[in-house]
Amino acid sequence: AQKVTQAQTEISVVEKEDVTLDCVYETRDTTYYLFWYKQPPSGELVFLIRRNSFDEQNEISGRYSWNFQKSTSSFNFTITASQVVDSAVYFCALSIYNFNKFYFGSGTKLNVKP
Amino acid sequence: DTGVSQNPRHKITKRGQNVTFRCDPISEHNRLYWYRQTLGQGPEFLTYFQNEAQLEKSRLLSDRFSAERPKGSFSTLEIQRTEQGDSAMYLCASSLAFSYEQYFGPGTRLTVT
Repeated sequence: AQKVTQAQTEISVVEKEDVTLDCVYETRDTTYYLFWYKQPPSGELVFLIRRNSFDEQNEISGRYSWNFQKSTSSFNFTITASQVVDSAVYFCALSIYNFNKFYFGSGTKLNVKP
Repeated sequence: DTGVSQNPRHKITKRGQNVTFRCDPISEHNRLYWYRQTLGQGPEFLTYFQNEAQLEKSRLLSDRFSAERPKGSFSTLEIQRTEQGDSAMYLCASSLAFSYEQYFGPGTRLTVT
């Protein structure tokens, strides 16, 4: 069975602070894919990043960075120098092989205050 | 292309009534997914189509729920004899087959009174 856990329900930071969102996943499959999605107040989920189980190279894209560690089954997401526009609910998700089903965590609500 | 669209955006219905939602995916996308999202939770998978074929259904999809995608383009999700527990946001997403990137619609918020 697949499961995604986001233990942080809500985080509040002041603008320009760095913030890390945690994600822990469970799966017995050896080939799987991990995702982060953003859901702003308008409601539409927006894809941010994908990582496959064979690629543990961490990535930085602008103010965003991701830390994938298979040893701890974690796929954490960091926003550097947060901005008010980053305020949203962030979801971590897991899918296996042919992307026929996605498993989402319960989300972390990020509040960035000016 | 304007992305995935869903209609209606909001629906209020009385318990016991039937409701139907529509999803129009991105035109070249052959996969279409339905999810349900309740307050404070992430989307839960309900079902998906590849072209017109419904290939997988979640246990969450009780006998009161039915989904169709008759011509492999738009899809409908019908809930019969609605219950208060059906109140949720119903999300539709589309993608190319075997593509990881799903594009989500704005959702239909259902309130059952």
